[in-house]
Amino acid sequence: QVQLQESGPGLVKPSETLSLTCTVSGGSINSDDYYWAWIRQPPGKGLEWIATISYSGTTYYNPSFLSRFTISVDTSKNQFSLRLTSVTAADTAIYYCARVPLYGGQPADFWGQGTLVTVSS
Amino acid sequence: DIQLTQSPSTLSASVGDRVIITCRASRSIGDWLAWYQQKPGKAPKLLIYRASTLESGVSSRFSGSGSGTEFTLTISSLQPDDFATYYCQQYYTYSKTFGQGTKVEFK
Repeated sequence: QVQLQESGPGLVKPSETLSLTCTVSGGSINSDDYYWAWIRQPPGKGLEWIATISYSGTTYYNPSFLSRFTISVDTSKNQFSLRLTSVTAADTAIYYCARVPLYGGQPADFWGQGTLVTVSS
Repeated sequence: DIQLTQSPSTLSASVGDRVIITCRASRSIGDWLAWYQQKPGKAPKLLIYRASTLESGVSSRFSGSGSGTEFTLTISSLQPDDFATYYCQQYYTYSKTFGQGTKVEFK
C-alpha cells in the first residue's frame, strides 16, 4: 500500500522561503495513473488545496496560490516538493501531501500524516 | 470561484442517531463532490466521491447524495468512532475548494 511522508523545517522566519518534500513509498511516483498534490490546513481552520503535479511535471494550481507557491517533482527520488517564498504568519499550517487518482474518480485517496509549519521570528 | 457552505457547523448527536450534513455549492459542480472525515491530529479520510460513491473500505452506514449545487452526507446510525469533523470538497475546478467543516460532537 502506498504511503506518503511529508518533511520540512517545522519553523520558518517571516520573509524566508519554505521548502517541503513528500516522499512516496510502496509505489512509484512515475505513473500515468496518479497525480500528486499539496493541501494545507491552518491551525483550527479548514482545508485548502494548493497544487497538483504529474510525474512528468504538468502542474495545476489553485488560482489562490499562484504567486508564491511552486510545486515540483523528482522522479529519481520518488518525491515531490512544494516551495513557498516570502512566508508570513498566514502560512502557518499543517501541510499535507496526497495522491490523486486520475481514473478512479476520487479527488485524493491517500494522504500523508501532515507536517506542521510555523512561521515566526 | 466556487464556494461551498456546509450546514450545520456543529451537530450534537447520540450514538445510534441518523445524521445528515448538507453542502451547498455557489454554482453547479455536477457530481464532482467528495466527503472526508477528519479526527484531531489526523489527515482527512476520504469517505465518498462523485457525490455518492462509497470509498473502498468505508462503512456502508455512510452515504452521499445530490448533484448540481445541493449535496448531503448521511450517517445512518452514528457510532462512537464517527465523532469527528466532516468536510465536503468540490473538484470541478482547479481550486478544489473545501467546505468549512461540520463538527459532530456528543450530545
